[in-house]
Amino acid sequence: NAGVTQTPKFRVLKTGQSMTLLCAQDMNHEYMYWYRQDPGMGLRLIHYSVGEGTTAKGEVPDGYNVSRLKKQNFLLGLESAAPSQTSVYFCASSIWTGAYEQYFGPGTRLTVT
Amino acid sequence: QQQVKQSPQSLIVQKGGIPIINCAYENTAFDYFPWYQQFPGKGPALLIAIRPDVSEKKEGRFTISFNKSAKQFSLHIMDSQPGDSATYFCAASGGETSGSRLTFGEGTQLTVNP
Repeated sequence: NAGVTQTPKFRVLKTGQSMTLLCAQDMNHEYMYWYRQDPGMGLRLIHYSVGEGTTAKGEVPDGYNVSRLKKQNFLLGLESAAPSQTSVYFCASSIWTGAYEQYFGPGTRLTVT
Repeated sequence: QQQVKQSPQSLIVQKGGIPIINCAYENTAFDYFPWYQQFPGKGPALLIAIRPDVSEKKEGRFTISFNKSAKQFSLHIMDSQPGDSATYFCAASGGETSGSRLTFGEGTQLTVNP
């Protein structure tokens, strides 16, 4: 049981390049989330999904797209990377246990130059 | 709009001290208040959580105190150890349209000196 995994762990992009971050969970969780973490700003929700085939915008969705074609995977795409997207990206998944306890992946450190 | 405000931004205590981290929220629809612990290079991990029907919850050396009327909650770490050095985030969720979404505080970097 690997929990939540993220690929890649590190990436450097040039402005304007595109890339996709992959999140996978093996806990059969319905809900999945993408956050970005920046110093002094906590974790901010980018997009989330309440089930296979569904996605919704979070707090800071601009410049990102997501897809949830399979229940266990949640992809985050950057179509045209900008330096403002330099951040650490975390994926999480959750299930109802009386509350939606979220389990986080190890993160992807992205630098856009 | 930051709906959960956390303080202090950083905190340094000696081993055995009792660091206290405070959070305040605005949305009265919030009904679930977790704390997450994050070590460098790792993802956040759920530490302890509370619902507003109780004023205090204790798990080991970690205690959450909750004040519903003041819309504040805090984390206390008893007998703190150097291994507790990490970043701590409070969070909140609830409400009909956002029950599964967490709103996080800004984080507190805790250092426990030996």
